[in-house]
Amino acid sequence: TQLLEQSPQFLSIQEGENLTVYCNSSSVFSSLQWYRQEPGEGPVLLVTVVTGGEVKKLKRLTFQFGDARKDSSLHITAAQPGDTGLYLCAGLYNNNDMRFGAGTRLTVKP
Amino acid sequence: GAVVSQHPSRVICKSGTSVKIECRSLDFQATTMFWYRQFPKQSLMLMATSNEGSKATYEQGVEKDKFLINHASLTLSTLTVTSAHPEDSSFYICSALSLRGREQYFGPGTRLTVT
Repeated sequence: TQLLEQSPQFLSIQEGENLTVYCNSSSVFSSLQWYRQEPGEGPVLLVTVVTGGEVKKLKRLTFQFGDARKDSSLHITAAQPGDTGLYLCAGLYNNNDMRFGAGTRLTVKP
Repeated sequence: GAVVSQHPSRVICKSGTSVKIECRSLDFQATTMFWYRQFPKQSLMLMATSNEGSKATYEQGVEKDKFLINHASLTLSTLTVTSAHPEDSSFYICSALSLRGREQYFGPGTRLTVT
């Protein structure tokens, strides 16, 4: 059973467009991580958010943690083909129970 | 960031044999490690949580006698796929929980092919 609902599952956009990926749960997270994974490799940690309402920026990526710590979003501005990949959110529950969303497969066309 | 290694990166074995995959945290100690399985174009599926010095906790539907996990030290966990079958072919990924307990760092994965 997925504790995290991640959407959309697939996203195909043109270079230069903006996009947002969402991650929602009915439970409160201790922390939430966003990962990016390329084919044949392990996921790479992009960011960890811990505090409700927290916003973190990583170049063109903006990560937001909901005030109630039950949801998060990833916004990419002016997407580039190099952003193509599988984006995963993962919520940490009870300090050692980490669950992943289903993932968002992003394709950015040149 | 923290580094987790996984060995081997690829393995091909015959049906009925056993395969051991190692997961090491290289620059930090990890009391908790996780083992995942990933099918093509899908997200990660948690198989088990490995705690140093104690028995692993398996997710529902994962056979503990088939997927043996040993976490003998703070930097090493192993997953042994016993009596492998073609349906066990998959991408297996381990991760280690940071000392702060908030972040997971992933290994590069092991591609297992059972012929």
